[in-house]
Amino acid sequence: GENVEQHPSTLSVQEGDSAVIKCTYSDSASNYFPWYKQELGKRPQLIIDIRSNVGEKKDQRIAVTLNKTAKHFSLHITETQPEDSAVYFCAASRDNYGQNFVFGPGTRLSVLP
Amino acid sequence: DTGVSQDPRHKITKRGQNVTFRCDPISEHNRLYWYRQTLGQGPEFLTYFQNEAQLEKSRLLSDRFSAERPKGSFSTLEIQRTEQGDSAMYLCASSLGDSENEKLFFGSGTQLSVL
Repeated sequence: GENVEQHPSTLSVQEGDSAVIKCTYSDSASNYFPWYKQELGKRPQLIIDIRSNVGEKKDQRIAVTLNKTAKHFSLHITETQPEDSAVYFCAASRDNYGQNFVFGPGTRLSVLP
Repeated sequence: DTGVSQDPRHKITKRGQNVTFRCDPISEHNRLYWYRQTLGQGPEFLTYFQNEAQLEKSRLLSDRFSAERPKGSFSTLEIQRTEQGDSAMYLCASSLGDSENEKLFFGSGTQLSVL
């Protein structure tokens, strides 16, 4: 089955700096890669996603890049703000009949003012 | 609020008791998922439904766990003879079920504590 690894497990950056979180996956059939943000005590919320036919996607300060050959994808947050502090999860999904999402273990991002 | 809703938000029970959680997905969503999340970990897949059919179950789902989605709308997750290791956040999520729209939307979860 699919296995998703995520690095780093914790990340601290100064406000205004950029943050990068990296994930690798094992199943070459995976074709959908979302990122979720989870604040303490709240539900995971989808912040950006990318399909395997696209190499990069951007939404304001957030971007995701995908390297299918290497089976890794990354989340980039620019101009970080204190409200970006949260746990970020990547996930990988394959588009088959028996479909499920496999999540990475998460990265705790702290943006220091 | 037209998002995914879960009930109850918190459940405290004694070991050996049975508990049941409910999830109401976004109304037009065909797929419904159950996940379990422990502190400091990502959500772990338990099972998912396409309409009323339970299509996939994780090996994590022991025979003490059962899930239903009788009319393809709300779902229930029952845990029988609870154990302390069952303590976790149980998250429900739903999606449209269209391969071009696999965005998964989560509920706020049910936090289970087994004493």
